[in-house]
Amino acid sequence: DSGVTQTPKHLITATGQRVTLRCSPRSGDLSVYWYQQSLDQGLQFLIQYYNGEERAKGNILERFSAQQFPDLHSELNLSSLELGDSALYFCASSVGGQADSNQPQHFGDGTRLSIL
Amino acid sequence: EDKVVQSPLSLVVHEGDTVTLNCSYEVTNFRSLLWYKQEKKAPTFLFMLTSSGIEKKSGRLSSILDKKELFSILNITATQTGDSAIYLCAVATKASNSGYALNFGKGTSLLVTP
Repeated sequence: DSGVTQTPKHLITATGQRVTLRCSPRSGDLSVYWYQQSLDQGLQFLIQYYNGEERAKGNILERFSAQQFPDLHSELNLSSLELGDSALYFCASSVGGQADSNQPQHFGDGTRLSIL
Repeated sequence: EDKVVQSPLSLVVHEGDTVTLNCSYEVTNFRSLLWYKQEKKAPTFLFMLTSSGIEKKSGRLSSILDKKELFSILNITATQTGDSAIYLCAVATKASNSGYALNFGKGTSLLVTP
């Protein structure tokens, strides 16, 4: 158990809908990262938050947004869902927020999103 | 564009064999290279490498980084069926707003048969 908690485990919804994925980082970790894993693309970095502020952005679509709250949990919002958004969405956390901190990211079990 | 390539894509071995997994990379703002093991769910952290030529070891697993040739290898000796998993290589790169991202390869799927 990595200590990173993601809910829900599985979400099934229809095209055009909006969903919110939630992540609680490990105790003491200030950074949260979101990744998307699909069969053809592998694990793709979406976005990083550190202590409530956005720190790094990857290939995140404009239909997707995230935030980190004062209690450090984070939410990833996906809207106008398309069939291609079906994937496993992982949250990871680390103590620091900078690459030079040399601390690994620890991953949650993911939320499987299925779009019908 | 940052690129991380793993080989082979898939590997089937017998218990007791030794395997070597490869990871090569072309990235800007390299900070570290990490190896993860992914079974059914979350990738679990194995190693983080920042310096060339220094081997990291944990039991039967070991890994080394070559920053001049831009690659890393992960060795598993005396493989067991419990080593069956997807092994992911990721390179940490610095992002513009002082954050960082992990750029993952597509993974090597290892199956260890009894």
